Amino acid sequence: NAGVMQNPRHLVRRRGQEARLRCSPMKGHSHVYWYRQLPEEGLKFMVYLQKENIIDESGMPKERFSAEFPKEGPSILRIQQVVRGDSAAYFCASSPAGLLAKNIQYFGAGTRLSVL
Amino acid sequence: GESVGLHLPTLSVQEGDNSIINCAYSNSASDYFIWYKQESGKGPQFIIDIRSNMDKRQGQRVTVLLNKTVKHLSLQIAATQPGDSAVYFCAMGVETSYDKVIFGPGTSLSVIP
Repeated sequence: NAGVMQNPRHLVRRRGQEARLRCSPMKGHSHVYWYRQLPEEGLKFMVYLQKENIIDESGMPKERFSAEFPKEGPSILRIQQVVRGDSAAYFCASSPAGLLAKNIQYFGAGTRLSVL
Repeated sequence: GESVGLHLPTLSVQEGDNSIINCAYSNSASDYFIWYKQESGKGPQFIIDIRSNMDKRQGQRVTVLLNKTVKHLSLQIAATQPGDSAVYFCAMGVETSYDKVIFGPGTSLSVIP
């Protein structure tokens, strides 16, 4: 059973370009979470999604950032018109369906975004 | 509380000593607690969890203690090894709720050989 898969592992973009980060949850998991982490800092929650629904996007910047988790395929975190301040590691986590099983999140290895 | 991007507190421990990493929380409704370990360049990994009906839970070389009265959680690592060097995050949630799990700010553990 493969773990949470994120790609690409490293992504370099120039200012103004778009960044697309992909996350395939563990098999059987229907809850996906995205976090951002700056060097030497903690995890900052961005968004929590279930299939085809955004449950909580309270940590997402209001502009340029969007996330989706379609019925088929991976979850996508999209950053439009990237700026240098978007440079960070972005982690995806997934958890199983079910109210009592949802709390343990399994993390991917992250995507490290560098904006030149 | 929720991670707010503060620089990580650090803890340095001699190899072979015991380590204690602390975490305070504010939401009295939290009833499920988890510790994660994040090694350099990797994503966080689940270590151990505890429910609020317990005060203590032991794993392999790790023990989690929960004090609900003062809303405090600790992770104890016995006979700390160089491979234990990492950032440790506590996380908390409410089992009967769909609210997101909240991560603490993290503690960086350095093991001195």
